[in-house]
Parts: sequence; structure tokens; C-alpha cells
Amino acid sequence: SAVISQKPSRDICQRGTSLTIQCQVDSQVTMMFWYRQQPGQSLTLIATANQGSEATYESGFVIDKFPISRPNLTFSTLTVSNMSPEDSSIYLCSVDRQGNYGYTFGSGTRLTVV
Amino acid sequence: AQTVTQSQPEMSVQEAETVTLSCTYDTSESDYYLFWYKQPPSRQMILVIRQEAYKQQNATENRFSVNFQKAAKSFSLKISDSQLGDAAMYFCAYRSAVGYGQNFVFGPGTRLSVLP
Repeated sequence: SAVISQKPSRDICQRGTSLTIQCQVDSQVTMMFWYRQQPGQSLTLIATANQGSEATYESGFVIDKFPISRPNLTFSTLTVSNMSPEDSSIYLCSVDRQGNYGYTFGSGTRLTVV
Repeated sequence: AQTVTQSQPEMSVQEAETVTLSCTYDTSESDYYLFWYKQPPSRQMILVIRQEAYKQQNATENRFSVNFQKAAKSFSLKISDSQLGDAAMYFCAYRSAVGYGQNFVFGPGTRLSVLP
């Protein structure tokens, strides 16, 4: 099964700035998924990142706010732009576990915007 | 669209006892997968157990087992011999079996406390 390295694990950022979160997978995967988990809530899909094409964003999420890069089959980044306190959340990346139909998740990034 | 409901925001269990977490879902599909994920304070999402809808036999993984009632669209998780390390948020999740890369639908979660 895939192993995902996600960083940073946590950060405290000033409003109006941007943070880029990185996910590195130890094997090639077609799709990578980015989730947001607001405090005390469940996971919400932000976007699906395919290598070589634009990410597909879910309703309520836009590329200008959450630009995603997917330069190869093992790496992706999510940027949270022009941050406000409402962006304070845990952000998680995940990949499809081939043959098991479950997702493997990164360890998450806890973002606090002050 | 599919929805997943977990009606118990919080549960507690005495160490070594058994606890059951409830999950119901709504779908018009006949082929799908159901999962329970555990999220401890470390934030890591850990797959606990999964169930294929076409299988009548309930899945088991060591101390974890499910009661899958397809007609009732119910998928509960039973944790036997509860341990302190079982304390976490538990999320029930649904995934369509049609196509590839289908999105997960997560329930709101149940926070489980284990009392020593």
C-alpha cells in the first residue's frame, strides 16, 4: 500500500498570506485527492488532482483560492491563498489504494490563521 | 447523491468492554463499498475495516467487526475488548463501485472515548 509524506504537519500563518502543502507518495498514482477538515467536522473534498491536467474542483472551491499542482505521478501541492481565519482547518491529501478500494491518507496539515 | 449519517456524535466505553457505532447511508446504487476510518488526535486517517456491498458476510478485522444490513442501509461497527488506543474519531464512509476514482462520502463522525 502507498505511503504518503505530507508537510508541513502544522503551521500558524498571518491572514493575507499563502501556504503551500506538499504530498509525496512512495509509488506512482493516477489520482490524488485534497480534503479539508474544519474544526470538529468531517472531511470535505476540495479537488482531485490528475497528473498532466487541471485539477477538478468541487462545488464551493475555486482554483484562485486553492491552486493545485501535480507535476508528476508521485507529488502534488495544495496552496491556500490569501488566507483568512476561516481557512483554519486540517488539510489532508489522499490516494487510491489499488486493489483495496480504500484511500490512504497523509498525516494532515493543521493550519491556523491568525 | 449519496449521504452518510452517524447519529451518535459522541460515545464512551469502559476499557475491555464492547461498543457499537452506528452508521446509515442513502444510495440508489446496488454496488458500492463501505468503510470505517479512525482518526486519533494525531490527525492520521486510518482504515479500520471495509465491506463490499455484494458480500453478505460481515467483515471482521481482529477486534473490529461490522453488521452490514444492505436492505436497511445500515453499517455499524462493533469494537470488542476496547483499548485505550481505540479512543478517536470514527468516520463511516461510502464509495461507489462504478468507475474509477470515485469520491468518498464521509459521515459526520463519532467521537469515541475509552474510560480506564
